[in-house]
Amino acid sequence: DTAVSQTPKYLVTQMGNDKSIKCEQNLGHDTMYWYKQDSKKFLKIMFSYNNKELIINETVPNRFSPKSPDKAHLNLHINSLELGDSAVYFCASSDPNSPLHFGNGTRLTVT
Amino acid sequence: QKEVEQDPGPLSVPEGAIVSLNCTYSNSAFQYFMWYRQYSRKGPELLMYTYSSGNKEDGRFTAQVDKSSKYISLFIRDSQPSDSATYLCASFTAQGAQKLVFGQGTRLTINP
Repeated sequence: DTAVSQTPKYLVTQMGNDKSIKCEQNLGHDTMYWYKQDSKKFLKIMFSYNNKELIINETVPNRFSPKSPDKAHLNLHINSLELGDSAVYFCASSDPNSPLHFGNGTRLTVT
Repeated sequence: QKEVEQDPGPLSVPEGAIVSLNCTYSNSAFQYFMWYRQYSRKGPELLMYTYSSGNKEDGRFTAQVDKSSKYISLFIRDSQPSDSATYLCASFTAQGAQKLVFGQGTRLTINP
C-alpha cells in the first residue's frame, strides 16, 4: 500500500498551459507539503498545509495554487506554465516534529 | 549561504568500503537531523532520524550529529552496490518539520 501517492508520474506540456498534480496520503498525517526538486537535486519547500489550512507559502509565484480538499489530499494547480517550471515536484506528509514521508514525484517538462 | 551545505560529489567507492557522507549547517536552532536516500526517479526515503547531538546506529548505517561544530555525518559500513543513490541531509528546528531544510545531496556510487 503506497503511503504518499502522486499523479501523474510524468507530465509533458507546452508553455502557457495550465496543469494540475494530485497527491493523496493514507498515513493519517495532519500536515502535507509540496516540494520542488531542481536539476541539481536541490529540494525546496513550496507549500505546507496543516489540516487543510495553508501554513507555509515560500515565495512561490502566484501561478502556483495549492488546494487541500481534506487532510489526506493536497493538489497543486499551475497556471500559465513557463520553461523554468520544469522540475520534479514532490508531495510529502508528516506528523508535527516528525520526518517527512515523500511520494515518488511528478516529473514536469515544459516545452 | 545555504542553511545546510553538502558536497554534491559524485562519490565513487568500491564495494565493501566504509563511506562517510557529511553536511554542515549554519542555523544553531536546528534540533532534528535526518538522512534521506533517494534512488533515481524515486522520492526521498527516510534513512536515519536523530534529535540533538549524538550517534545513532541502524544496521550498517550510523548517523552522527555534533552540534558544537554544526556537523552532520552518515557512515555506511560494508557498502553494497544497492547503496548507490543520492543521500540528502536535512534539519529542522523546534518550530516543526514544516521548516525542513535540505542539503543539496551527495551522489554515491558503489562499484562491484
